[in-house]
Amino acid sequence: QQQVKQSPQSLIVQKGGISIINCAYENTAFDYFPWYQQFPGKGPALLIAIRPDVSEKKEGRFTISFNKSAKQFSLHIMDSQPGDSATYFCAATQAGTALIFGKGTTLSVSS
Amino acid sequence: GAVVSQHPSRVICKSGTSVKIECRSLDFQATTMFWYRQFPKQSLMLMATSNEGSKATYEQGVEKDKFLINHASLTLSTLTVTSAHPEDSSFYICSALQGAYEQYFGPGTRLTVT
Repeated sequence: QQQVKQSPQSLIVQKGGISIINCAYENTAFDYFPWYQQFPGKGPALLIAIRPDVSEKKEGRFTISFNKSAKQFSLHIMDSQPGDSATYFCAATQAGTALIFGKGTTLSVSS
Repeated sequence: GAVVSQHPSRVICKSGTSVKIECRSLDFQATTMFWYRQFPKQSLMLMATSNEGSKATYEQGVEKDKFLINHASLTLSTLTVTSAHPEDSSFYICSALQGAYEQYFGPGTRLTVT
């Protein structure tokens, strides 16, 4: 049973465009939703995270939108750059427990 | 941001030997650390949860006698792959929990068993 579903599997965006990755979760006990960025051969890096009492969080070019009633959240990357090309993972968790990851989205930003 | 290191970054060993991987939180104390395994182009698969001073909790299907985890201090957890075989070749990544929610990952260890 996959508790966090992520889409799309891959995404190609032109430089300067907006990248959008979506995730849906099933367990309503989850109360922390981070996004991680991973480059090949490296460990995931925490990008941005949100708690369910907030509908949106923005940090620089990265924004999380959160819809508690729909049990969905998404990552928006504004003004996408070639350096953003990486694999992005959404995740969900409760305090003190392991992350439940989505399957990942491979983003390619073409110049 | 918080920093987690792993050592070694790459290791090649012969089948039947054991390999130890260290995971350290460099600028914070972590009561809880996690060990993941990642196959090429796949997501991270949780292997075990490591709590300082207590036995690790293993996920279903992970052999605890093969993957020995020790969390002897608030900044160090180790994963020992015992009697390694080629099918154990993978990318092993640890994470350390800062506070209640934020998890920071190490750079990973590429294990190749020949």
